[in-house]
Amino acid sequence: QKEVEQNSGPLSVPEGAIASLNCTYSDRGSQSFFWYRQYSGKSPELIMSIYSNGDKEDGRFTAQLNKASQYVSLLIRDSQPSDSATYLCAGLNAGGTSYGKLTFGQGTILTVHP
Amino acid sequence: ETGVTQSPTHLIKTRGQQVTLRCSSQSGHNTVSWYQQALGQGPQFIFQYYREEENGRGNFPPRFSGLQFPNYSSELNVNALELDDSALYLCASSLGGTTYEQYFGPGTRLTVT
Repeated sequence: QKEVEQNSGPLSVPEGAIASLNCTYSDRGSQSFFWYRQYSGKSPELIMSIYSNGDKEDGRFTAQLNKASQYVSLLIRDSQPSDSATYLCAGLNAGGTSYGKLTFGQGTILTVHP
Repeated sequence: ETGVTQSPTHLIKTRGQQVTLRCSSQSGHNTVSWYQQALGQGPQFIFQYYREEENGRGNFPPRFSGLQFPNYSSELNVNALELDDSALYLCASSLGGTTYEQYFGPGTRLTVT
């Protein structure tokens, strides 16, 4: 079983719709979660971090974390063609140290069509 | 822009050769992590340096080694290159301590022939 799994893609949504990206993790020691956006040929860009159960909103993005279900999600409202990219979910288990190893899922390709 | 820089951008090497990749971290960041990203996969953790010492290592062989310098810049060295080492190599910097957000540089695309 992979430590971090993302919903299989690719995901295609029309412009203006809500895109829903999901991620599950197996390491119950993971405390912090991150969503990165990666355009083709570019490096990952941090778009959201979430540390506690519940929702966190930033502009059109909402991250949700449910530690009991070991589930993380990212909602993108009013999707735009510029949101078309690969979205990477990452978990971190620092074990109380400063050792910040990120474990990534395989990514979900999102396409927003006009 | 994250303020993290990497060099070179692209590199082509022959199997068996050695390569050194470089990274300059964001101003104020004292922790550097290196990741390998194969095509179509998520990044895989290689190792992390905190205040010039290796602070953790992923499942990579010893021929992957690194350094961090007093100015917190870093190098990744790979000896005896194999074809499977062809990948995008990413450096990420962070503040360290209990701040875990990591910011990636543009990466170095390594091709081994």
